[in-house]
Amino acid sequence: GQSLEQPSEVTAVEGAIVQINCTYQTSGFYGLSWYQQHDGGAPTFLSYNGLDGLEETGRFSSFLSRSDSYGYLLLQELQMKDSASYFCAVRDRGSNYQLIWGAGTKLIIKP
Amino acid sequence: GAVVSQHPSWVICKSGTSVKIECRSLDFQATTMFWYRQFPKQSLMLMATSNEGSKATYEQGVEKDKFLINHASLTLSTLTVTSAHPEDSSFYICSATRGGRNEQFFGPGTRLTVL
Repeated sequence: GQSLEQPSEVTAVEGAIVQINCTYQTSGFYGLSWYQQHDGGAPTFLSYNGLDGLEETGRFSSFLSRSDSYGYLLLQELQMKDSASYFCAVRDRGSNYQLIWGAGTKLIIKP
Repeated sequence: GAVVSQHPSWVICKSGTSVKIECRSLDFQATTMFWYRQFPKQSLMLMATSNEGSKATYEQGVEKDKFLINHASLTLSTLTVTSAHPEDSSFYICSATRGGRNEQFFGPGTRLTVL
């Protein structure tokens, strides 16, 4: 079957760095995406990894290792506004751009 | 660019009535639109995939006669919840893809409360 695993909750301190891991099982992996969702809001796209390696976008970076079926989202210089849920999602080959979603990781940031 | 709107943002209705939710891509043509449902503190659950001019593809367990999807143009898809019941109360979110892009662009969501 197809599944994604990520921690349900992570706590970090303002200004610190946090890493949210995601492991996946899928029959036809095509890419790993990360989305951010604040309470009451809709998800917003953060990053996409189609190939192995690190993608950096400002304070956020995302990493993928296809051989390990593993990726992570790295958030640096944490700000209180980064408190949100973070979802990893896998695009499955031939799935008409459908995404298979993880359960989400709630990031709690303390001052 | 790539803005998706939803209307209404929230709706309260009586049990047994039908509710229509609109999803529009404002500045691009959406080849594919998706409808999701999200219950509190849970992940997004894909309900259906919709391509313009063709019938929607529903996920297992989603009743196509209850959740009617119409994708009449490249910028508009509608979801109608027919004969709504309290258990249909949820956050409904649409998203759209733009050809060749790897991301889905999400609407702001519609919070449906059925009394």
